[in-house]
Amino acid sequence: EVQLVESGGGLVQPGGSLRLSCAASGFTFSSYEMNWVRQAPGKGLEWVSYISSSGSTIYYADSVKGRFTISRDNAKNSLYLQMNSLRAEDTAVYYCARVQVARGSNWDYWGQGTLVTVSS
Amino acid sequence: DIQMTQSPSSLSASVGDRVTITCRASQSISSYLNWYQQKAGKAPKLLIYAASSLQSGVPSRFSGSGSGTDFTLTINSLQPEDFATYYCQQSYSNPLLTFGGGTKVEIK
Repeated sequence: EVQLVESGGGLVQPGGSLRLSCAASGFTFSSYEMNWVRQAPGKGLEWVSYISSSGSTIYYADSVKGRFTISRDNAKNSLYLQMNSLRAEDTAVYYCARVQVARGSNWDYWGQGTLVTVSS
Repeated sequence: DIQMTQSPSSLSASVGDRVTITCRASQSISSYLNWYQQKAGKAPKLLIYAASSLQSGVPSRFSGSGSGTDFTLTINSLQPEDFATYYCQQSYSNPLLTFGGGTKVEIK
């Protein structure tokens, strides 16, 4: 069974840092592209960052570029999001999502999400 | 950037109704359009990919259609478990996928 389990969320002050993790199981993690997506309270879905299966290709949304860093450890079946210089507007539930390539691309499995709250 | 616009933003419907949700892209995206369902407090779930392909395990009352800029998600015979928020997502600009604003389906 495919599982994605996020951790690392919590309350942090503006300007602070957090590192999110996403533990993958039930599939060959090293073969899949991955994403981080977030959802602010009561709002829609916002793509945050993408990483290729090998980690060699990375993209960020403009809203987090220069502050967030995505990475992965295929030996540990884990995806990470290092978040620095956090702002109130980064408050959201953060999800990791697996990419399925099928007549285009889609996100076929998602974690349960981890809540990040940026507040003083 | 490709902008995705969903309509309506919310709707009220009864069990057994046929529901239609529309998604429009700011430019042609061929059939690179996905639909997700999100229930309160839960992660989104993939329903439809490539505009009309049903994801494994998704009930056949869900269907998708469209190409180019205009797409539709149809739910035939709405069930109690279908009350949720639905999002479209374009994958034309892969891997930079973007979502529509969502459509909340509520009980009438």
